[in-house]
Amino acid sequence: DVKVTQSSRYLVKRTGEKVFLECVQDMDHENMFWYRQDPGLGLRLIYFSYDVKMKEKGDIPEGYSVSREKKERFSLILESASTNQTSMYLCASSLGTGAQETQYFGPGTRLLVL
Amino acid sequence: GNSVTQMEGPVTLSEEAFLTINCTYTATGYPSLFWYVQYPGEGLQLLLKATKADDKGSNKGFEATYRKETTSFHLEKGSVQVSDSAVYFCALILLSNDYKLSFGAGTTVTVRA
Repeated sequence: DVKVTQSSRYLVKRTGEKVFLECVQDMDHENMFWYRQDPGLGLRLIYFSYDVKMKEKGDIPEGYSVSREKKERFSLILESASTNQTSMYLCASSLGTGAQETQYFGPGTRLLVL
Repeated sequence: GNSVTQMEGPVTLSEEAFLTINCTYTATGYPSLFWYVQYPGEGLQLLLKATKADDKGSNKGFEATYRKETTSFHLEKGSVQVSDSAVYFCALILLSNDYKLSFGAGTTVTVRA
């Protein structure tokens, strides 16, 4: 079974702090994704990566950056956390790109910014 | 642009009731369509998918048929159980959008014993 793990289930940070969210997948997948999930808005793509050291902006990249130094690990960084970044963050991975590709999701990190 | 519209929830049902969650899409091209499910406290997992018109996806008693003429992909289950309580997301993927998933807002379903 594909396993996608996220470093924390719950996180509380203060405004202005630098926040790191870590995601690891164990199936040698090429692609990794970061989404945020908000009530009534579904999932929105923040950043994705097709390969090590490569990254592409998603639909809402403002206020975020990412790092992919190793194939299995994809980090989301909030350079200076703000209260409007309070949300559920979901990481996903997929083997390749294409119309039939399934994305596998981690359990999510619920971030509260005070 | 590409978008997915789901019926608003929450939906509350009794066990063994029939469940339908409506999903329609707007896309410039021919997308593949997915239903993902999120059980309480967990991440999303793929429930079923269909990649071309008239395809039917099915899994765990759930079904959805890709209807190109009505741009719809409604999810149905004939007899729900308490364990089906979850949030259900309709999504599409499209070549012209670099194969990125576009999600609907999600529908929360609660099944009561």
